[in-house]
Formats: sequence, structure tokens, C-alpha cells
Amino acid sequence: DQQVKQNSPSLSVQEGRISILNCDYTNSMFDYFLWYKKYPAEGPTFLISISSIKDKNEDGRFTVFLNKSAKHLSLHIVPSQPGDSAVYFCAASLGGAQKLVFGQGTRLTINP
Amino acid sequence: SAVISQKPSRDICQRGTSLTIQCQVDSQVTMMFWYRQQPGQSLTLIATANQGSEATYESGFVIDKFPISRPNLTFSTLTVSNMSPEDSSIYLCSVGGLTGSYEQYFGPGTRLTVT
Repeated sequence: DQQVKQNSPSLSVQEGRISILNCDYTNSMFDYFLWYKKYPAEGPTFLISISSIKDKNEDGRFTVFLNKSAKHLSLHIVPSQPGDSAVYFCAASLGGAQKLVFGQGTRLTINP
Repeated sequence: SAVISQKPSRDICQRGTSLTIQCQVDSQVTMMFWYRQQPGQSLTLIATANQGSEATYESGFVIDKFPISRPNLTFSTLTVSNMSPEDSSIYLCSVGGLTGSYEQYFGPGTRLTVT
């Protein structure tokens, strides 16, 4: 039972354009959502998060949108840069236990 | 955030042997976790490492296969016991509870290959 799903295994975007990565979840009890970025041979790096009581959180070039009714969140990166090429994971947390459930990841490639 | 190191960074082990992975944090942390990322898969939580008590394991993971120690607030070990090729994965430790929110910060991972 995949509670967090990233349906696009890969995404290719031109440098300077907007990258939009999507994530769907099934468990309405998730109360916190996070995005991580992972380069090969490194651990995931925390990017941005959002509480379930909000619908948008912005940090520089990164914005996360949450649509609770649709159980959907997205990460917008604008403008996209070559260094953004990596695998992006969305994750969801269930309350105080702070256990994270991860999606399968989306490989983002930024083309010059 | 915190600086997290893992040893070894990678290893190739024979079937039937065991490997202990170390995770060291540069500051005291309340919560430490161990994850596994199998080839081409997502990250899956193995267990929560509790300081001074037994680890809390997720469904599908057992203490006999993945014994965990956490002797203090900066260090934990994960042992992969009686290894088989299916245990070939990246093993990652993470820490949480640093900022009062739910962010977790990950170590660089240990790439294990079992032959």
C-alpha cells in the first residue's frame, strides 16, 4: 500500500523555466509534508516543508503547494538551474511519532 | 541542522555474514532513525532508535535481523545480520526533533552490496 505516490519517475525542464513536481497521498491523517533532494552517493537533503494547516509555503526559488481536498502537493522551482538536477522525494509525517513515509522519487533534469 | 556521519560509506559483504553501520551526530539529538533504500526504490523506515531502550521497529523489520543500539544522544549503530543479496541497499540514518518541527536530516548513507 503506497501511501505517498510520485507518479512521474522523471521530468526534464529547460534552464530558467519552472519545474513542477507532483505528489499524491492517500492517508488523510498525514499532518506534515516535506520535500527532499538527493544527489547520487549522498543522503537526502531537506528542501522545504508545509504543515497541513497551510496551503502554501515559499522559500526563495522553492514553493510548496498543498491541496488537502485533493490530497495533492506540488513543488515549484523557479527559475530552474542546472544544479537543481537531482532526484526529488516527497515525504509525509504522521503526527508526533515523526515517522516519514516517502514517495518513489522524481528524477529532475535541467537542460541548458 | 546537524552534521551526520556514517561508517562505512560502502562495503561488499558475503552472504551469511553481518555488518554493523555506525551513525555519529555532532550534537545531541532526541530522535534518530534508520532507513533503507533498495535499488530503484524509495526510502523505507526500518526503526526508530531510542536512547537507553529498545528500538521501535516498523512492520516487516525485526530485531534479530536488524539489531540497533543507541548508547547516547549522539551515536547509534545498525547491524544487518545473516546477510543475503536481498539486503543489498543503501542504509541511511537520520535525526529529527532539532527545530521543534518534523524535519529530519540524513547522513550520507552506507551502500551495502551482498554477494
